[in-house]
Amino acid sequence: EVQLVESGGGLVQPGGSLRLSCAASGFSFSRYWMHWVRQVPGKGLVWVSRINSDGSDTKYADSVKGRFTISRDDAKNTLYLQMNSLRVEDTAMYYCATDFSSYLADWGQGTLVTVSS
Amino acid sequence: EIVMTQSPATLSVSPGERATLSCRASQSVSSNLAWYQQKPGQAPRLLIYGASTRATGIPARFSGSGSGTEFTLTISSLQSDDFAVYYCQQSNDWPKTFGQGTNVEIK
Repeated sequence: EVQLVESGGGLVQPGGSLRLSCAASGFSFSRYWMHWVRQVPGKGLVWVSRINSDGSDTKYADSVKGRFTISRDDAKNTLYLQMNSLRVEDTAMYYCATDFSSYLADWGQGTLVTVSS
Repeated sequence: EIVMTQSPATLSVSPGERATLSCRASQSVSSNLAWYQQKPGQAPRLLIYGASTRATGIPARFSGSGSGTEFTLTISSLQSDDFAVYYCQQSNDWPKTFGQGTNVEIK
């Protein structure tokens, strides 16, 4: 059974940094492309970033480009999202998800990031 | 960026009735479209991909249709478990954009 468990969220001040983690199990993590998607509580879904299976190719939403970095450690079966220069508008639940032909097949339960002073 | 527009924002349906949800893309996405279901406090779940293919384990009462810029998700006979928010998402181009969601509520 595919399991994705996000962690690393919390309260951070504007301009601060956080690193989110997504621990994967139940599938061959190293073979899968992976995504981060966020959702402001009560609002819609917004795609954030994607990394390919060997980590050589990444994509970002314009709203996070230059501030967020997606990466992976296949030895640890873990996906990361390094978030720098955080803004109030980055406040959201962050989900990791597996890629299936560019669709988001399996999702974690999310980790909440709150950016506030 | 491709803008996805869903209608209606809220759909009130009685259990056992049919629900029809619409999704329109600002430019053609071919058949590169998915539907997701999200219940309160839960992560989204993939229902339909490739506009019309049900994901693993999804009941046959869910069906998707359309191509190009116009898409439809139909729930043939609503069950109590189906009341949720539904999102469409295009995978034809970057960034992968979602619609704003349709809330299917009990009438």
